[in-house]
Amino acid sequence: AQSVSQHNHHVILSEAASLELGCNYSYGGTVNLFWYVQYPGQHLQLLLKYFSGDPLVKGIKGFEAEFIKSKFSFNLRKPSVQWSDTAEYFCAVNKESSSASKIIFGSGTRLSIRP
Amino acid sequence: DTGVSQNPRHKITKRGQNVTFRCDPISEHNRLYWYRQTLGQGPEFLTYFQNEAQLEKSRLLSDRFSAERPKGSFSTLEIQRTEQGDSAMYLCASSLAQSRTTNEKLFFGSGTQLSVL
Repeated sequence: AQSVSQHNHHVILSEAASLELGCNYSYGGTVNLFWYVQYPGQHLQLLLKYFSGDPLVKGIKGFEAEFIKSKFSFNLRKPSVQWSDTAEYFCAVNKESSSASKIIFGSGTRLSIRP
Repeated sequence: DTGVSQNPRHKITKRGQNVTFRCDPISEHNRLYWYRQTLGQGPEFLTYFQNEAQLEKSRLLSDRFSAERPKGSFSTLEIQRTEQGDSAMYLCASSLAQSRTTNEKLFFGSGTQLSVL
């Protein structure tokens, strides 16, 4: 069964620091990968996604993620964080398929930014 | 607001009672998901629908949980004989899925917070 691991449960950074959040998945086939974000008091929303092509994908608000197939990883990065990036970040995966495939989420990483 | 709507926002119930939640997806979306989330955890998959067909139900779910999407629009999630361990945020999400899974984007509702006393 597919699964997603996020090893950093809580990350605390100062503004302007660089960010990297880890995400590893377990599934041997072709996958689609996602990062979702939940800002305080708001819905979960899509930050970025990878489904094919360039393994470095760019999302909203300056975030990017790199798909490394050999490492089963899809780490999220941002060169310089802002206080407004304080949120919970969830990595997710589903199998690439010609029919439906459920989307599975990791346990999340809480990001706190010190002003 | 044309997003995903969930009702009620909060539900407090006594152990042993039945509860039902409703989700209204974005109108043109054909796929609907139910997830459960507890504090400090990510959304845990419960079940999902393609139109009115229930495609998969998590093996973690007991027979006390049932979901329907009778006309391929809104969906209900019922929990019978609630237990304290059912206390969680129940999230609904919808998507406009193509024939392939590529590029699927979920739109989430605000959730229903269930407290079982």
